[in-house]
Formats: sequence, C-alpha cells, structure tokens
Amino acid sequence: EVVLTQSPGTLSLSPGERATLSCRASQSVNIYLAWYQQKPGRAPRLLIYGASSRAIGIPDRFSGSGSGTDFTLTIDRLEPEDFAVYFCQQYDRALTFGGGSRVEIK
Amino acid sequence: EVQLVESGGGLAQPGESLRLSCAASGFTFSTYTMYWVRQAPGKGLEYVSAISTTGVNGFYADSVKGRFTISRDNSKNTLYLQMGSLRVEDTGVYYCARVRCTDGICYNVFDVWGQGTMVTVSS
Repeated sequence: EVVLTQSPGTLSLSPGERATLSCRASQSVNIYLAWYQQKPGRAPRLLIYGASSRAIGIPDRFSGSGSGTDFTLTIDRLEPEDFAVYFCQQYDRALTFGGGSRVEIK
Repeated sequence: EVQLVESGGGLAQPGESLRLSCAASGFTFSTYTMYWVRQAPGKGLEYVSAISTTGVNGFYADSVKGRFTISRDNSKNTLYLQMGSLRVEDTGVYYCARVRCTDGICYNVFDVWGQGTMVTVSS
C-alpha cells in the first residue's frame, strides 16, 4: 500500500499569506496525485488532479506541483474561505489518502 | 444539477447490518465507476469500495472485504452498500463519490461527492 504523509499537520496563517502544503508518497505515484479541500461538516471538494491540473471552478490561487514521491499544494493569498483541511490522494497504485493538513487562521 | 444523495445511515450494534443508498441525478449514472469512501470522526478519508459501470465488478478495501457488498441499479440511478457484521471501527460518515471522466477517459479521483450519511456502530 502506498502511504501518503502530509505535512505540516497544522499551518497557522493570516489571510493574504501563502500556504504551502506537502504530501510525500512512500513510493512513486508518477503524477497520479490529487488534492481535496474539506470544511467542517462538508464533503471533500476536488481541487487538483494529475498533480498540477485545477479542477473546474477552482481559483487560480490554488496550484499543485511535484511528481514521483514529493508533491506540493500552494495557496497564494489566502482568502477567509480557504481555511480548511486539505487531503492528498494517490491513484497510481490502488487508492489511498493522506492524513490531512489543517490551515487555520492565525 | 449533478448530485449524489446518500441515505440509510444510523445506529447499529456490533454484528448487525445496514444498507446505504446513494441516489444519483444530473448525469448519466451508468457510465461512471462509483465509490464509497468513509471518514471516521475527526479522522481522514478511507477508500471502502468501488463498482464498475455495469456492476459486474466490485472492489473492496481489506478492512471490509467479506463483510460489505457494493451494488448498483442503473435503471434507478442508485448505488448501494450492504454492510454486514458491523464493527465499532466501521463508525463514520460514508460518502458516495463519482470518478472524474474527460473525453471518455476516467481516473480514480472524485469530482462529485454526496453529502454523506453517518453510521454509528455501538453497543
């Protein structure tokens, strides 16, 4: 099973700042990595797929990068609605999710 | 509007059964592989089960294999999850989700999710 490790566990930032979240895979998943945003009591929302492609309707302040085992989700100029939990998911070898990173208001 | 609506969650005792349903609308349900994904309280996401477009092939996480059965009725645009021999560790919100397809190519990322249905297993 591919294990995805997300860091940091919690990131405390102010609106307008940049968030950089990491997802590391225990083995290569090529570019088959997605990112989701989840707010309390809500279902996850797809942000990024194929490591760097934005899903429909996702603002361009969200960007993804990486390949192989190391991936990054960057959120430029945090908006109030961006404070949430973010999960990565690999779909190269079966399907697994990371443990999540919380972006909280500082 | 593309929509998935789950139902059937509730409280069950260990060893009991529950059947979850997921009603799809706004898209051609029969052309999409569908998944169940769960989330224990305060925890991350976990793949549970998947089913092919025709319903012939079902796939399961090791944690539920032999206890859960996934099925679908394309005539009713509905996905099901029959959950048996429930355990305390099966507690959580269960989401149905649709894979993302573009130009006939589908990848196992989820672009449409239901709102989730809560399953609580407790004595």
